[in-house]
Amino acid sequence: SQQGEEDPQALSIQEGENATMNCSYKTSINNLQWYRQNSGRGLVHLILIRSNEREKHSGRLRVTLDTSKKSSSLLITASRAADTASYFCALMEYGNKLVFGAGTILRVKS
Amino acid sequence: DTGVSQDPRHKITKRGQNVTFRCDPISEHNRLYWYRQTLGQGPEFLTYFQNEAQLEKSRLLSDRFSAERPKGSFSTLEIQRTEQGDSAMYLCASSKKGQEDGELFFGEGSRLTVL
Repeated sequence: SQQGEEDPQALSIQEGENATMNCSYKTSINNLQWYRQNSGRGLVHLILIRSNEREKHSGRLRVTLDTSKKSSSLLITASRAADTASYFCALMEYGNKLVFGAGTILRVKS
Repeated sequence: DTGVSQDPRHKITKRGQNVTFRCDPISEHNRLYWYRQTLGQGPEFLTYFQNEAQLEKSRLLSDRFSAERPKGSFSTLEIQRTEQGDSAMYLCASSKKGQEDGELFFGEGSRLTVL
């Protein structure tokens, strides 16, 4: 199974700034999902983008998917201190197993 | 929906002991997943069930690990003869029937510390 690789590993920004996280992968996927995890807690689903989609929005979140480059990005606009968390991209392979990357730690300073 | 429930939330045990974790998925979710997460890493897939059938099991899951979902509802994950390397957060997740390629709903996890 492949694993997405997130970049950067850690990101520190000021409140109000935008945060961008990237995910690259190697083989075909059914869909790509982004999750958030607050320290010591379970994961919360943020957004899902299918392999035939290029961009999706949800509130302050914008996700893009470039299947030719095998990469995705998650943009959080107008960040807030409450956005401080770890963010994971997860690849849904054909066969319905979700595989997670190592994550990006986002810190939003107020 | 009451969410995915995991029990216990924390378990401290001595090396060599057996431990069992329970997961209650969201009602009528037919897929149930187990993941393991160590500090600073993403969740690693362990196994998943569709109803009571165990469809896939990771090579990470040694013979000391066993998971069951006897009636297609709750699931248990047992670790026998625990080792210090088993210390991790064990996460359970479920997905909706008919949306098996969609989002996973996670529980809060069961944190295992092996002394």
